[in-house]
Amino acid sequence: DAGVIQSPRHEVTEMGQEVTLRCKPISGHNSLFWYRQTMMRGLELLIYFNNNVPIDDSGMPEDRFSAKMPNASFSTLKIQPSEPRDSAVYFCASSLVVGELFFGEGSRLTVL
Amino acid sequence: AQSVTQLDSHVSVSEGTPVLLRCNYSSSYSPSLFWYVQHPNKGLQLLLKYTSAATLVKGINGFEAEFKKSETSFHLTKPSAHMSDAAEYFCVSAEYGNKLVFGAGTILRVKS
Repeated sequence: DAGVIQSPRHEVTEMGQEVTLRCKPISGHNSLFWYRQTMMRGLELLIYFNNNVPIDDSGMPEDRFSAKMPNASFSTLKIQPSEPRDSAVYFCASSLVVGELFFGEGSRLTVL
Repeated sequence: AQSVTQLDSHVSVSEGTPVLLRCNYSSSYSPSLFWYVQHPNKGLQLLLKYTSAATLVKGINGFEAEFKKSETSFHLTKPSAHMSDAAEYFCVSAEYGNKLVFGAGTILRVKS
């Protein structure tokens, strides 16, 4: 299995631009998670889906952030407009068993 | 509410000596507990999990952890550290479904 695939691996953009991060979960996994990791705040859960349905989005910082999962094999996290404080590594993870998450390599976002 | 406390932000050991990474949890119920490892510029990887079967849990790469309810602890150990063990380690609790609680992380340094 290829594991969880995230793209892009690195993104540098200017403040105000739209950013879209993509994730392909492991085939057969029914839960998908988006996390954000920074030095200051550590690892934060943004949102998670179960069977393509958003279950908990309480971690989404504000309306500038949105996430979708149109089908079982694809999810996006969009930031519009982006701000410098959004700079972080964004991880996607998928799972079939509670607590057993498989993480992608992450998308490192830098907003100038 | 559940919480996880990793007692050391940094641990330094010499190669070949034992590793001890400490984790205390707080939970109203019997949680499922996990240890994850994150190598530099990589996603997190599951090391081991406790789900109320055996209290001593063996994981990958020679790591193990012991669940002690009386001490509310779930410390991670390894008899002999290897240079490749240098990474950040996260203790994680799962009390309610997929809502995981991550500790702040412990950075393990292995000296040659």
